[in-house]
Amino acid sequence: GAVVSQHPSWVICKSGTSVKIECRSLDFQATTMFWYRQFPKQSLMLMATSNEGSKATYEQGVEKDKFLINHASLTLSTLTVTSAHPEDSSFYICSATLNEQFFGPGTRLTVL
Amino acid sequence: DQQVKQNSPSLSVQEGRISILNCDYTNSMFDYFLWYKKYPAEGPTFLISISSIKDKNEDGRFTVFLNKSAKHLSLHIVPSQPGDSAVYFCAARTYSGGGADGLTFGKGTHLIIQP
Repeated sequence: GAVVSQHPSWVICKSGTSVKIECRSLDFQATTMFWYRQFPKQSLMLMATSNEGSKATYEQGVEKDKFLINHASLTLSTLTVTSAHPEDSSFYICSATLNEQFFGPGTRLTVL
Repeated sequence: DQQVKQNSPSLSVQEGRISILNCDYTNSMFDYFLWYKKYPAEGPTFLISISSIKDKNEDGRFTVFLNKSAKHLSLHIVPSQPGDSAVYFCAARTYSGGGADGLTFGKGTHLIIQP
C-alpha cells in the first residue's frame, strides 16, 4: 500500500516553455502533498505544501508564480514550472502523507 | 544554514557487519525523525522513524537511536546486506497545529556494502 506515482518520469523542454508534473496517490487519499526538489549531490529541499481545496504554502525563496501548484483532488496534485529556464533543471519529487510521507519516483526535468 | 546534517558523504561496510549512519540536527523544534533509503533517479523509500519522546525504535535489521540532549540520531543496520547499498537520508519535521509539516532532509550518506 501507500503508492505514489509521478508523471512524467523525465522531461526535456526548451527554455521559456511550461512543464506540468503530476503526482498521484494511487491507493489512498491525501489531503496534504509536498513538493521537493533535489539538485545533484544535494539534499531534497522542500518547495511547497499542497493542500486539497486551498492554496499551496510555499517555502521561503520559492516563487509561487513560477511554480504553480494545484491540488485538484484528494489523490492528485500538479506542479507546473512556468517559463522554465536551464537553472530549473532538477529532480522534482512529490510526497503524500498517510501517517508517514510516501514519495513518488521523481521527475527529472532538463531545460535546454 | 543546514538544520539536518549528515557529515559522512559515504560509508563502506563489509557484508554481515553493522552499518552505523549518523545524523545531527540543530532545530530543537523537531519532534519526529525519519530515515529514508534512496536509489538514483528514484524517490526515497521510508525505512524507520522515531518520535522525540522515545530514544530507540527497532524494526527488523534496522534500529534508530535518538539522543535528544546531543541532538543526534543514528541508524544501525545489522547485519548489512548487499541490497542495503544506497543513499540514506535523515529527515526531521515539526508538527504544527494544522498537521504535519514538510520534511527537512540531510544531504545523505552513500552506504556501500562490500562482499
